[in-house]
This record gives sequence, structure tokens and C-alpha cells, in this order.
Amino acid sequence: AQKITQTQPGMFVQEKEAVTLDCTYDTSDQSYGLFWYKQPSSGEMIFLIYQGSYDEQNATEGRYSLNFQKARKSANLVISASQLGDSAMYFCAMREGHGSGTYKYIFGTGTRLKVLA
Amino acid sequence: ETGVTQTPRHLVMGMTNKKSLKCEQHLGHNAMYWYKQSAKKPLELMFVYNFKEQTENNSVPSRFSPECPNSSHLFLHLHTLQPEDSALYLCASSQDHTRYEQYFGPGTRLTVT
Repeated sequence: AQKITQTQPGMFVQEKEAVTLDCTYDTSDQSYGLFWYKQPSSGEMIFLIYQGSYDEQNATEGRYSLNFQKARKSANLVISASQLGDSAMYFCAMREGHGSGTYKYIFGTGTRLKVLA
Repeated sequence: ETGVTQTPRHLVMGMTNKKSLKCEQHLGHNAMYWYKQSAKKPLELMFVYNFKEQTENNSVPSRFSPECPNSSHLFLHLHTLQPEDSALYLCASSQDHTRYEQYFGPGTRLTVT
């Protein structure tokens, strides 16, 4: 079973509009972390935002916010006021315990976002 | 240089060749990672090193051999690869293997002919 599911392979958004990228996850751990990364065409993965499973408030970083709904096991990324430079692949990822104090990072298949002028 | 660097950026090799990928981080981190990114597949974690000790090997074939001589450098030695090994190989680092975010290098685009 997929641990991280991103159901939108591609999305379009008009410049200056907000967009939500979906992510659902599956874990039996009580303590885990959720991340979003951006990968432009240059290939480098860029960390955007983090949400811990015990964090009561949704994480925000500038124009990025994470809509964390624990009961639904969803961690959607909201980008406000989209810019042309936001066009990229976006990956949702989860860090969960792997036993003996080690952790495992699991990535989704990604959503390609295209911002239209 | 800052951040995480990887060399070479592009590599074409035959199935009988031996080559190495290099990763260097200038962030003072203690954990380093190798990932494989294939088209239309999730990013696959290959190896994790924490304080130079390998803590994770996700059933990676032995034709991939990692080496971590110190906390700043990570290598991936390649030999007798298969065409299906063609992918983008990403290196990442984090403060330690329990910290939140990872910082990625630009990747090495590997083509096996």
C-alpha cells in the first residue's frame, strides 16, 4: 500500500491565485513528520515546510501553509498568491520511525504545478 | 561553496564500466543520504549515513556501493550497472538523521547504455 499518496499528477493555477496540492499518508506511528519539497526543472529538491504529528497548529512559511488534518491523514500544501517561479514538481514526504532510533523518509510521486501568466 | 554539491552532473556509462558519484555538503550536517529518482516513481531512499556510520540500506543491489569517509563527503561507487539503473541520483544531508528537513544537491543524471 502507498504510504504517501498524491492524487494530482498535474495542476494549473493562474498567477496570483491560491492553489492546494493534495497529500494523504498512511502510518501507524504516533510520532511522525510531514514535509513538502519543491523540485524545479533544475533538479534540486528544495525544502518548503514541515509539520510534526503533535503540532496543534498548521505550519506556515511565507506563502506556503500546510493544511494538516490528522484524523483524515491529510497534509495538503496551500500556496497563496502563486508566482511564475512556483512552476515545479512538488513532493509530499513523511518521516516515520523505523525502529532502533532510526527513521525512514517516504516520498510521494509528486504533483507538477504550472503557473499561468 | 555552500549547500550540497554533486559531481558529475551528468554521467553516461556502459554496463561494464566502474564510476563514482561524489557528494559534498558544506552545512556542517552529520547525516547524508543517497536517493534514486526514476521517472514516474516515488523518490527511493537508498542509503543513510549518520556520523559516518551507515544506518540504512534499503535492499539496494550490491552493484551500488556507498562510502562515507567523513561527515562532509559521500560517494556512490557504481559497477556493472544495468540500463534500469538509469535515473537521477540525489544526495541530501540533514543535521542528523532525526532532524526534520533535508537539504538536497542538484543530482547526477545517470544513463547506463
